Amino acid sequence: QSALTQPASVSGSPGQSITISCTGTSSDVGGGHYVSWYQQYPGKAPKLMIYEVSNRPSGVSNRFSGSKSGNTASLTISGLQAEDEADYYCSSYTNSSPVLFGGGTKLTVL
Amino acid sequence: EVQLVESGGGLVQPGGSLRLSCAASGFTFSSHSMNWVRQAPGKGLEWVSYISSSSSSIYYADSVKGRFTISRDNAKNSLYLQMNSLRAEDTAVYYCARISFNWFDPWGQGTLVTVSS
Repeated sequence: QSALTQPASVSGSPGQSITISCTGTSSDVGGGHYVSWYQQYPGKAPKLMIYEVSNRPSGVSNRFSGSKSGNTASLTISGLQAEDEADYYCSSYTNSSPVLFGGGTKLTVL
Repeated sequence: EVQLVESGGGLVQPGGSLRLSCAASGFTFSSHSMNWVRQAPGKGLEWVSYISSSSSSIYYADSVKGRFTISRDNAKNSLYLQMNSLRAEDTAVYYCARISFNWFDPWGQGTLVTVSS
């Protein structure tokens, strides 16, 4: 099964908002509220940022938000800060395997 | 504090075997399903394997099916990944991660497996 589709890179200036998309099919992203998002700094383990499309774990800044429309989920980061520069991955439960990840998006804060 | 600590990585020749371990603490390990996820150098995340809390349900990615075996010892709060017939493309950092419903949290720090002659 192919990975979910994410843009390879996005960028924004401090204070701006950016959105990272994650496109799948009706068998995964579009099939329910099972999309999550992870932040990963170089050489570090991924960290959960959003679960079940739009829920934030305790301790995650409210500048991070998630949404979904059809087969595409989105992660929006508002009030961009230098510390947000990292790689971001989406994942989704699928009909055929426990989970599928996106290819990852490198966020650059200009 | 909920914590996962992997160990067992290293350099192995193609065709060789390696056993990874993941020690869990800070939560009731026996109540949670667990996973292995890997990341090849400079690449994205790839789900490898899943095991339910009682080991009754086990799944593998097609890329490792028949070569890798996931297991757990709830008495020792430990998760394992036995990797046989290793290939160069198995070179990656291997993370263990607790799964809650359908999201991974937390993740261990990872252990590097290098398959090379």
